Amino acid sequence: DGGITQSPKYLFRKEGQNVTLSCEQNLNHDAMYWYRQDPGQGLRLIYYSQIVNDFQKGDIAEGYSVSREKKESFPLTVTSAQKNPTAFYLCASSAMQGGNQPQHFGDGTRLSIL
Amino acid sequence: AQSVAQPEDQVNVAEGNPLTVKCTYSVSGNPYLFWYVQYPNRGLQFLLKYITGDNLVKGSYGFEAEFNKSQTSFHLKKPSALVSDSALYFCAVRDQTGANNLFFGTGTRLTVIP
Repeated sequence: DGGITQSPKYLFRKEGQNVTLSCEQNLNHDAMYWYRQDPGQGLRLIYYSQIVNDFQKGDIAEGYSVSREKKESFPLTVTSAQKNPTAFYLCASSAMQGGNQPQHFGDGTRLSIL
Repeated sequence: AQSVAQPEDQVNVAEGNPLTVKCTYSVSGNPYLFWYVQYPNRGLQFLLKYITGDNLVKGSYGFEAEFNKSQTSFHLKKPSALVSDSALYFCAVRDQTGANNLFFGTGTRLTVIP
């Protein structure tokens, strides 16, 4: 079945450490997205990519980095510069044709601080 | 700038009763509107969308939504609630710049009481 796979499901970060969250899709979608979800705040866009080797900052990109070397993959690195990384991170993808296609989501990675 | 508002953090409804989850939007042009549902520790699942056409949109799991241009609303409805409908519901509006990004509301937690 086609879908989006995020790993790991749970992740713990030590002080000063960078961690990378994986996101893989087999839907042949051009666009991919990373969101951060905090209680009561909905979803906030971190980074997005509309095509391989290109990505754009979202609303809360500081302290995060991404790469898009393959169409299927869009990993997110939470750097030590992100001082409040504890959150639920969601990856999504969508087809770009027509601009009215829904985004499909993975099941998320929950990041906590040790 | 576009935005959506979900005025109720929590909605409680008895099983078998009709349910409504409210959403209002603000966009400069024609809106592309979406509803998603999230179960605990899972990603978001697409329910339905309004792009153009009929103001009553039918979606997954018996849900429907009514687009009202004069009231700038897009309320989610279901004629008869099930306990399994208990979840977090998000309304979203598409970015008007062409990037296909979504702006999400803060979510409404629906609890269906047996």
